[in-house]
Amino acid sequence: DAGVIQSPRHEVTEMGQEVTLRCKPISGHDYLFWYRQTMMRGLELLIYFNNNVPIDDSGMPEDRFSAKMPNASFSTLKIQPSEPRDSAVYFCASSLSLAGVGNEQFFGPGTRLTVL
Amino acid sequence: SQKIEQNSEALNIQEGKTATLTCNYTNYSPAYLQWYRQDPGRGPVFLLLIRENEKEKRKERLKVTFDTTLKQSLFHITASQPADSATYLCALPGRRALTFGSGTRLQVQP
Repeated sequence: DAGVIQSPRHEVTEMGQEVTLRCKPISGHDYLFWYRQTMMRGLELLIYFNNNVPIDDSGMPEDRFSAKMPNASFSTLKIQPSEPRDSAVYFCASSLSLAGVGNEQFFGPGTRLTVL
Repeated sequence: SQKIEQNSEALNIQEGKTATLTCNYTNYSPAYLQWYRQDPGRGPVFLLLIRENEKEKRKERLKVTFDTTLKQSLFHITASQPADSATYLCALPGRRALTFGSGTRLQVQP
């Protein structure tokens, strides 16, 4: 397996533009997580899915952020409109389970987002 | 909610020495604790999981301890090498899946 795949790796956009980040989890993993990492706040969980269903989106900063998982092999995180404070590295991760055996998370390489 | 504390200052050690990183947590004791490694420009990579009924776990040159009384986990790298230089994060299960510490950067000098 190629691991968790994210695209794009880097994104530079202007304030107010729509940004879409993409993720392909490891095949067979039932859980998918979206994180944001900054120097100030560390690694923050934004939302996670179980079997394509959003379970907890309480970490999503505000209504400008939305995430979807239309099928088991694809998820998107959208920011509309983007703001400079959204600049961060966004990670997607997947795991077999949440709390039992196989709950270690496998992270993608991340998308470095810069909003000017 | 669970609060996790890792030393934000970088740890600098000489090659061959043992590196010891600390993860302290507040509130309830978790059923398990995980350690991840993160290299610059990459996502975290899972290293070890230790359960609350395990005092110690080893994997090659890595050793993790878990003291539920002190609410602390120690992460040791023996015979450290420059290639061990990275940021190490601990993670605990919480109300919302895993909660990650901010990580401690380890720099092993040759």
